[in-house]
Amino acid sequence: ELKVEQNPLFLSMQEGKNYTIYCNYSTTSDRLYWYRQDPGKSLESLFVLLSNGAVKQEGRLMASLDTKARLSTLHITAAVHDLSATYFCAVVGAGFGNEKLTFGTGTRLTIIP
Amino acid sequence: NAGVTQTPKFRVLKTGQSMTLLCAQDMNHEYMYWYRQDPGMGLRLIHYSVGEGTTAKGEVPDGYNVSRLKKQNFLLGLESAAPSQTSVYFCASSYLRHTEAFFGQGTRLTVV
Repeated sequence: ELKVEQNPLFLSMQEGKNYTIYCNYSTTSDRLYWYRQDPGKSLESLFVLLSNGAVKQEGRLMASLDTKARLSTLHITAAVHDLSATYFCAVVGAGFGNEKLTFGTGTRLTIIP
Repeated sequence: NAGVTQTPKFRVLKTGQSMTLLCAQDMNHEYMYWYRQDPGMGLRLIHYSVGEGTTAKGEVPDGYNVSRLKKQNFLLGLESAAPSQTSVYFCASSYLRHTEAFFGQGTRLTVV
C-alpha cells in the first residue's frame, strides 16, 4: 500500500530565509503533486511532476522529483509572509489499477516577519 | 466556469441521522474522489470513482457509501452518522489518473 510521508510537519521560519520540505513515498509512482491550503480554504494545485528529474518553479517555490529515491522536495527561497500555509504532496501509484491519489500529512509553514 | 461544487457547505447532524453530500463538476472529468480532512491527519481517501457507474473503496470507507450515476456527480452518503464522522469533507476530480485533481470548497460536517 502506498504511504506518503512529509517532513517537517510544522515549520516556522523568518522572512528572507530558505528552507526545504521533503516528501517521501513508499512504492513506485509516476505522478506527484504539490498543493497549498490556506486556513479554512480548499486545496490549490501548485505543481505537477511527471517524470524523474522533473523540476518546476513558480515564484519563490521550486519543486523537484527523484523517482529512484522516491523523494520530492519543495524548496522555498527568501520566504515572504504570503507563503504561510499548509503544503501537501500527493502521489499516484504506478501501473494499472493504482488510481488512488494519496496525500501526505501536510507541512504547516509559518513565516515570521 | 464553476469547476467542482460541493453541497452543502456546512451541516450539523444528530447521531444516527443520515445525509448525502453532493459533488458536481462541469469539466467532463472521469475521476472523482471523496476525502475527509482531520487535524494532524492530512487528507484521507474515503471512496473514489474512475468513471460513470464505477466506485471503489479508499483508505477509510467504513460508514460511508457513494454513487456515481451521472459522470458529473459523485454522491457521498452517511447512513447513520456518528461523532467520529465530524470532519471537513472535500471532493476532487481529475480528467485522467495522471492529471492534476481540482478540489471543491469543502463541507464542514459536525455530528453531535
